[in-house]
Amino acid sequence: DAGVTQSPTHLIKTRGQQVTLRCSPKSGHDTVSWYQQALGQGPQFIFQYYEEEERQRGNFPDRFSGHQFPNYSSELNVNALLLGDSALYLCASSFSMGLGYSYEQYFGPGTRLTVT
Amino acid sequence: ELKVEQNPLFLSMQEGKNYTIYCNYSTTSDRLYWYRQDPGKSLESLFVLLSNGAVKQEGRLMASLDTKARLSTLHITAAVHDLSATYFCAVDYLYNQGGKLIFGQGTELSVKP
Repeated sequence: DAGVTQSPTHLIKTRGQQVTLRCSPKSGHDTVSWYQQALGQGPQFIFQYYEEEERQRGNFPDRFSGHQFPNYSSELNVNALLLGDSALYLCASSFSMGLGYSYEQYFGPGTRLTVT
Repeated sequence: ELKVEQNPLFLSMQEGKNYTIYCNYSTTSDRLYWYRQDPGKSLESLFVLLSNGAVKQEGRLMASLDTKARLSTLHITAAVHDLSATYFCAVDYLYNQGGKLIFGQGTELSVKP
C-alpha cells in the first residue's frame, strides 16, 4: 500500500515566480492538509481540502492556494514567490467521517522549495 | 489561538541516561501526537494519544497525556545514539471539523557516547 506521495522532491525557483506542488493521499484517505516547515521550526498549517473544497485555512496570505481533485489528490500553488517562502512543504492525508471528524494524519516525504 | 510549547528546545544527553521532554498546550484537546524528524526528512509518527491518562511505550520512548493539565511528556530511557533527532509534539485542534495540527517548536536531541 503506497503511502502519501509528493512531487517534486526538490524545487528551485526565483522570486516572483509561481510554483505548484502535488500530493497523492494514502489509499482510502479523502482529506489532504498542507503544512509549511521553515528551517529550524515546527510545521505550520496552511490549509485543508475535503470534498474538493477548502475546509480550514491557517494564517497564510492569498498567494497560497490549493485544489483537490475528484481522486482526492491535491495541489498547492504559491504565487509571487518571496525568499521567505523557502521551506519544506509537507502534505498529510487522513480519512474524514461524515460531519468532519477526522482521523490521524499521515505525512508525505515533503517538497523542499528554495526561492532565490 | 492555540499555542503549543515544548521544553527544552535543545537537549544534549549522554548514552544510558534518562530524560523527559515536556509539551504544554493552551486550550482543550484530547488528541496529541509525537513525531520524530531526522535532518532533511519528513515526520515519522511515534505516538498517538487519544484520551486523558493515555500512556504508550515503544522501545526506549514512553509518552503520556494529561488533558486536565494540558501537558504531554515524552520520556527517554537509557538513551542511545540512534535516538538523536528532532522531536515534535502536535495537538490536533478542531478534529471534529477536519483536524488541524498545531506543532510545538521541536526539541533537538543529541545523544553522545
